[in-house]
Amino acid sequence: QQQVKQSPQSLIVQKGGISIINCAYENTAFDYFPWYQQFPGKGPALLIAIRPDVSEKKEGRFTISFNKSAKQFSLHIMDSQPGDSATYFCAARGSSNTGKLIFGQGTTLQVKP
Amino acid sequence: DTGVSQNPRHKITKRGQNVTFRCDPISEHNRLYWYRQTLGQGPEFLTYFQNEAQLEKSRLLSDRFSAERPKGSFSTLEIQRTEQGDSAMYLCASSWTGTGRDQPQHFGDGTRLSIL
Repeated sequence: QQQVKQSPQSLIVQKGGISIINCAYENTAFDYFPWYQQFPGKGPALLIAIRPDVSEKKEGRFTISFNKSAKQFSLHIMDSQPGDSATYFCAARGSSNTGKLIFGQGTTLQVKP
Repeated sequence: DTGVSQNPRHKITKRGQNVTFRCDPISEHNRLYWYRQTLGQGPEFLTYFQNEAQLEKSRLLSDRFSAERPKGSFSTLEIQRTEQGDSAMYLCASSWTGTGRDQPQHFGDGTRLSIL
């Protein structure tokens, strides 16, 4: 019930293409869903986040789509660039009281020039 | 604002030794979190502090692990009698519980622990 499942494990996209990463969760008490980007040797950096009362949020080339009834959310990276090559993690917050984040397993994205 | 700082960046030690890591959060942040990340996995929550109080500990945090945050500023994570399975990246994050509901967690670059 505490898990967040992420897919695919790895993704190869051509420059200019759309990268799509999917996550699913079970616990309906989750109240906040951030996406983090991580480069090798670095800590995760917050990319974009959404609350379950919103179906979509866009920031620049990054969009989160959220389907509350299906308990699924996804990250779309438009016009993918080689600099976007990194590992992406979805996460869910257990409650605003603790702020504890539960992370997915990660997706390694490679954008080919 | 220099971000979350973690030291050391790398630690290599022999099995059975004790190790201590330090985290300096963003200065105005009152919450501090420790996570552990193994290769190819997402970070896993270990524990968190609000100011100096340790409010939650994961079952992943065995008795060999102890964390402190004296005076509500920096935090230390100590592992006693290290084991091979402790090899991982230890990440620290901080956030501010202000008036907004969604104060993001900002992560440091972690301490990579290797047990020989």
